[in-house]
Amino acid sequence: GDSVTQMEGPVTLSEEAFLTINCTYTATGYPSLFWYVQYPGEGLQLLLKATKADDKGSNKGFEATYRKETTSFHLEKGSVQVSDSAVYFCALPAPGYSSASKIIFGSGTRLSIRP
Amino acid sequence: DVKVTQSSRYLVKRTGEKVFLECVQDMDHENMFWYRQDPGLGLRLIYFSYDVKMKEKGDIPEGYSVSREKKERFSLILESASTNQTSMYLCASSLPDRGYGYTFGSGTRLTVV
Repeated sequence: GDSVTQMEGPVTLSEEAFLTINCTYTATGYPSLFWYVQYPGEGLQLLLKATKADDKGSNKGFEATYRKETTSFHLEKGSVQVSDSAVYFCALPAPGYSSASKIIFGSGTRLSIRP
Repeated sequence: DVKVTQSSRYLVKRTGEKVFLECVQDMDHENMFWYRQDPGLGLRLIYFSYDVKMKEKGDIPEGYSVSREKKERFSLILESASTNQTSMYLCASSLPDRGYGYTFGSGTRLTVV
């Protein structure tokens, strides 16, 4: 079935370092792909999305490119800040539910940024 | 600013109590969802609703029920709270569009003692 696999955490980086969080997916067809972020004690927020192959989603300095050749949607940021410390979830829509837009979430990657 | 509002951020209840978690959205979304989030287990879908008075079981519905009498409100009910229902509960809403994504509330951290 459809699924997402993302890299295990925690990931610890120094401020201003380059960030990559890997995400690969298995899907029927070419669904939209999402990255969500969860700051400590909060719910999840949609960070960015891409709706078709080769699309690049971007927001708050983060980017991810929908690559169908490698079935990947890796999250990147050129220079991380302490405020980026959070848990990041890769996700895609579940197949076959036309009346309810269920989403399949990855297990989450915890990111900690050292000052 | 559009939002999903969960009535409580923190809640402490006693074992055996009936617990109501309320969620309200102001975006006129058809779909609403309840998840629980536990360390090491990720997000697990409890129930969802795609229309008023319509509901479907998610992956872990046991011990829970839901109510959707109005489009904007989706309530999660713990019929008889138990300690293993101590968790973070997240409500979300969405349009019936697989490319839209969810809008989440801030979560309710429930502790059952």
